[in-house]
Amino acid sequence: QSVLTQPPSVSGAPGQRVTISCTGSRSNIGAGYDVHWYQQLPGTAPKLLIYSNGIRPSGVPDRFSGSKSGPSASLAITGLQAEDEADYHCQSYDRSLSAWVFGGGTKVTVL
Amino acid sequence: QVQVVQSGAEVKKPGASVKVSCKVSGYNFNNFGIGWVRQAPGQGLEWLGWINSYNGNTNYAQKFQGRVTMTTDTSTTTVYMELSSLRFDDTAVYYCARAHAAWGPGDYWGQGTLVTVSS
Repeated sequence: QSVLTQPPSVSGAPGQRVTISCTGSRSNIGAGYDVHWYQQLPGTAPKLLIYSNGIRPSGVPDRFSGSKSGPSASLAITGLQAEDEADYHCQSYDRSLSAWVFGGGTKVTVL
Repeated sequence: QVQVVQSGAEVKKPGASVKVSCKVSGYNFNNFGIGWVRQAPGQGLEWLGWINSYNGNTNYAQKFQGRVTMTTDTSTTTVYMELSSLRFDDTAVYYCARAHAAWGPGDYWGQGTLVTVSS
């Protein structure tokens, strides 16, 4: 049971926009801690995609964007491409657990 | 360029210990900590803890308190994670990730180390 809640899967056709939600609580996202997003391609290590709610590291396409509101955050992918098929994980910090906490991951399928 | 390279796969028996290494380069070792995260087959990511490379202070997940030990070797810029009293459900890929602060994020990740616990 993950501390943060994500939908198990989302799908979209090439070129479409998809969003992934990440819901926490008053001890993590709702407490003001930043949300980070990771992309994990099949058989590879996670890669930092978005940090501090909405900042893209160098080299990440601007098709990826993040936002946060209250105890929730979301990741949006616009202009979906075949290469975006991957698992996406949200992460924050929980002050009660004093720990990094993750969502269960969302599999994005490009139809 | 930042590089994070982990040690190879391990097979251990229940009750044994495993020590995974994480060698980093391409940045000032003392300016960033290292977090450890694992992923069981077909599952999500689970945090084990974080170590401050500058002073060796650690922050372990409650679930692993007493079983996990993280250490650093500044002379070789290598960080170690040892997990003891292994159980079958410790079978997972273990990742290390550079993290400036105890609360993340992990910005550069190692390639992962598969630890298999089998009798």
